[in-house]
Amino acid sequence: AQSVAQPEDQVNVAEGNPLTVKCTYSVSGNPYLFWYVQYPNRGLQFLLKYITGDNLVKGSYGFEAEFNKSQTSFHLKKPSALVSDSALYFCAVRENYGGSQGNLIFGKGTKLSVKP
Amino acid sequence: DSGVTQTPKHLITATGQRVTLRCSPRSGDLSVYWYQQSLDQGLQFLIQYYNGEERAKGNILERFSAQQFPDLHSELNLSSLELGDSALYFCASSGGDSIHYEQYFGPGTRLTVT
Repeated sequence: AQSVAQPEDQVNVAEGNPLTVKCTYSVSGNPYLFWYVQYPNRGLQFLLKYITGDNLVKGSYGFEAEFNKSQTSFHLKKPSALVSDSALYFCAVRENYGGSQGNLIFGKGTKLSVKP
Repeated sequence: DSGVTQTPKHLITATGQRVTLRCSPRSGDLSVYWYQQSLDQGLQFLIQYYNGEERAKGNILERFSAQQFPDLHSELNLSSLELGDSALYFCASSGGDSIHYEQYFGPGTRLTVT
């Protein structure tokens, strides 16, 4: 069965510092990986995805993620954190029904707190 | 704004009751997914529809059912409600039938069962 793990419940970063939110995955076959962000009382917003190609994926709001096949990781990064980045971040892997799209399997989420 | 709409935003009801949650996908999207978010279970996939047909089922209870109508909107029906059904229910939609399409989420319906 496919799964993702987010080992940190919370990440605390000072504004202006780089941030990393960790994600590891377990899949059979090719991984299709996503990051979503959830602000309080809001739905999930898509940040970025890895399907194939370059291991460094750039997404919305200055975020990027690095796909590492040997370490089965897909960590989310940002060079300089903003207070407004404070939110709940979810890593997800997509079920692959033989090429057609499937549902997302989410990690437990990591709460990012950026202090001024 | 993702383009996915959900109604109602909040729902408070009693145990044993039945409720219907509604979702309108983004214009042109054929796939609709339902997810449940709770404190103890996290975000869990419930069910997927594609162009009116059920495509996949996840951890959906037998008391829950869904359908997708010809105009592509979807409804999630929850019956014989229990306290543990209190959660945030999200609908998501995506275009096409390729793994390359990301899912866009609605704002959710917060269900409180008292």
